[in-house]
Amino acid sequence: KAGVTQTPRYLIKTRGQQVTLSCSPISGHRSVSWYQQTPGQGLQFLFEYFSETQRNKGNFPGRFSGRQFSNSRSEMNVSTLELGDSALYLCASSLAVVTDTQYFGPGTRLTVL
Amino acid sequence: DAKTTQPNSMESNEEEPVHLPCNHSTISGTDYIHWYRQLPSQGPEYVIHGLTSNVNNRMASLAIAEDRKSSTLILHRATLRDAAVYYCILRGAGGTSYGKLTFGQGTILTVHP
Repeated sequence: KAGVTQTPRYLIKTRGQQVTLSCSPISGHRSVSWYQQTPGQGLQFLFEYFSETQRNKGNFPGRFSGRQFSNSRSEMNVSTLELGDSALYLCASSLAVVTDTQYFGPGTRLTVL
Repeated sequence: DAKTTQPNSMESNEEEPVHLPCNHSTISGTDYIHWYRQLPSQGPEYVIHGLTSNVNNRMASLAIAEDRKSSTLILHRATLRDAAVYYCILRGAGGTSYGKLTFGQGTILTVHP
């Protein structure tokens, strides 16, 4: 079974631009979660989608948004990029049961200049 | 979210057992104890989880204290590929826990040849 895939793997943007990241979950997984990883803050939860609905949200500004499609693929969008948005963005998928294991993708490395 | 406390770093020699401790004194009765690890330049990887009883899988063992206020991840024979950051995470069921893993700073494990 194929793992979680994320595209693109690397991205360079400038301040003020917007960016869209894509995540394809493991086949059969309906929950997709997004995380931001930076050296200073570590791994932080952004939001989680299940059946095209956002069920949970972390403490990030409204510039960070996401959506999920009927095939469970998910996209994350960051508008008006800031230098501090430079990070590794990780996507994880799961079956969304009580003790579900999350399977992470390799991440998208975003650099904001 | 209930917090966990882990040592910042630990060292081991190859082929020796490694015991990685985690304190979670504020754990609730429904919280599961999960362990993930992150190898360099990769997304986090699920290792093991448990509720009350000790658990074993092909990667590791999880020993849970009787009062559940602490747990220990046991790698029976460390290899160089086990060098990673290990995260101990409490995972509640539903509500604010949907799809959310709260990562602490983790323990950096160094394995010496």
